[in-house]
Amino acid sequence: GAVVSQHPSWVICKSGTSVKIECRSLDFQATTMFWYRQFPKQSLMLMATSNEGSKATYEQGVEKDKFLINHASLTLSTLTVTSAHPEDSSFYICSALGGQGIVLGTQYFGPGTRLLVL
Amino acid sequence: GESVGLHLPTLSVQEGDNSIINCAYSNSASDYFIWYKQESGKGPQFIIDIRSNMDKRQGQRVTVLLNKTVKHLSLQIAATQPGDSAVYFCAENGSAGNMLTFGGGTRLMVKP
Repeated sequence: GAVVSQHPSWVICKSGTSVKIECRSLDFQATTMFWYRQFPKQSLMLMATSNEGSKATYEQGVEKDKFLINHASLTLSTLTVTSAHPEDSSFYICSALGGQGIVLGTQYFGPGTRLLVL
Repeated sequence: GESVGLHLPTLSVQEGDNSIINCAYSNSASDYFIWYKQESGKGPQFIIDIRSNMDKRQGQRVTVLLNKTVKHLSLQIAATQPGDSAVYFCAENGSAGNMLTFGGGTRLMVKP
């Protein structure tokens, strides 16, 4: 149980392109999902908290118009990197907050999406 | 919140030995702690957790110790195997909204 998937696994795109990343909880419902980015040899940096049916909460320094988050259902959250630039190249990881039936309050992570903007 | 480091500390152990990975946390109000394992190119994988009303919790080959007095967390891996090679992160939950603050990570390298 507590499987989280992300799609796509890899994205290579040209500068100025918008990229959409999906995060799905496969066997449980998640009212709360989180989006992180991770640079090489660094820890995870929380970008935003995504709540089903409401607006995402962004961490300080994260541009909400740049990183659009939509949590339209209890099993799906999407992150759209708008007009991506090379400095947006990173490893994007989502997590889903465990609820009833699995470890309450634990975040279960997806496999990550590596974005390379040329 | 986040913890960022340019260089991951590395722990190198011989296969079959026990490993101890340490983590210091800063928020005395944190009441829930988790250890994650992250292999190269993959997302973090839940290993074990502990709540602040406990000081020790054991899993399969892993033990987490919590010392709230000095705000220290450790992960012990018994009989370390090559498959244990990864980066290990501790995370604490001390705020509303179930947000986690991650430590900088420790790279574990297991020598055959």
